[in-house]
Amino acid sequence: DSGVTQTPKHLITATGQRVTLRCSPRSGDLSVYWYQQSLDQGLQFLIQYYNGEERAKGNILERFSAQQFPDLHSELNLSSLELGDSALYFCASSVGTGLTGELFFGEGSRLTVL
Amino acid sequence: EDQVTQSPEALRLQEGESSSLNCSYTVSGLRGLFWYRQDPGKGPEFLFTLYSAGEEKEKERLKATLTKKESFLHITAPKPEDSATYLCAVRNTGNQFYFGTGTSLTVIP
Repeated sequence: DSGVTQTPKHLITATGQRVTLRCSPRSGDLSVYWYQQSLDQGLQFLIQYYNGEERAKGNILERFSAQQFPDLHSELNLSSLELGDSALYFCASSVGTGLTGELFFGEGSRLTVL
Repeated sequence: EDQVTQSPEALRLQEGESSSLNCSYTVSGLRGLFWYRQDPGKGPEFLFTLYSAGEEKEKERLKATLTKKESFLHITAPKPEDSATYLCAVRNTGNQFYFGTGTSLTVIP
C-alpha cells in the first residue's frame, strides 16, 4: 500500500459527460501528480501541483483541469468526454517537488467512456 | 521533443537466466532517470534514481546503470516474483516526467 488513495476505482460514463477523479496523497507529501495510462501510449504526464500551486504541466487537454486544495488532496476534472479518454488515471505524490523521482502511485481510477 | 524508448517490449526468461532491459532517452536537460516496477492492476512502484552518466544503483537482483543516452536495468538470476512491467522515466529541466511504455518481464520457474 503506497498510502495514496484514489476514488473512484472504476467509472463508466457516456460521451459528452463530465467526471471528477479524486486523490489523497500520502501523509506529509506536498506534491501531487496526475498521469493517464492507455494501452498504446503508456504513462502520460498530465500535471503536477506542489502545495496548492501548479508546478509543471504535461500534455493535458484543455477539456481537463485539476486543482490541489488546502488539505492537499487533488481533483482531476474531465469534461466533454470522448471515447479516447477511456484510460487508467493515476495519481502520485512525493514529499518535495520530485527531484529524487521517488513518486508514490495510487492504484488508479479506470475510466470507461461509452 | 523529450522521449523515452524501452526495449524489448516483452521478455521471457527462465528462472536464473540473467538479462538486461534497455531505456533510450532524448531529453532537454536531464534532471534524473528513474526506474519503476508495475504489477498488473497496480500503480508503478519506485526502484531507482540515476542522475549522471556512470552512476549505478543496486537493489537485490536488480542493477541500474546510466550513460549519456541510455540506461540499462540488469536482472541477475531472476525469480518468478520479478515478473512485472519495468518502466523507465526521465525528468527534464521543466520538471516534467516522461515515461517509456515499459518492458513486460515474465520469469518462468
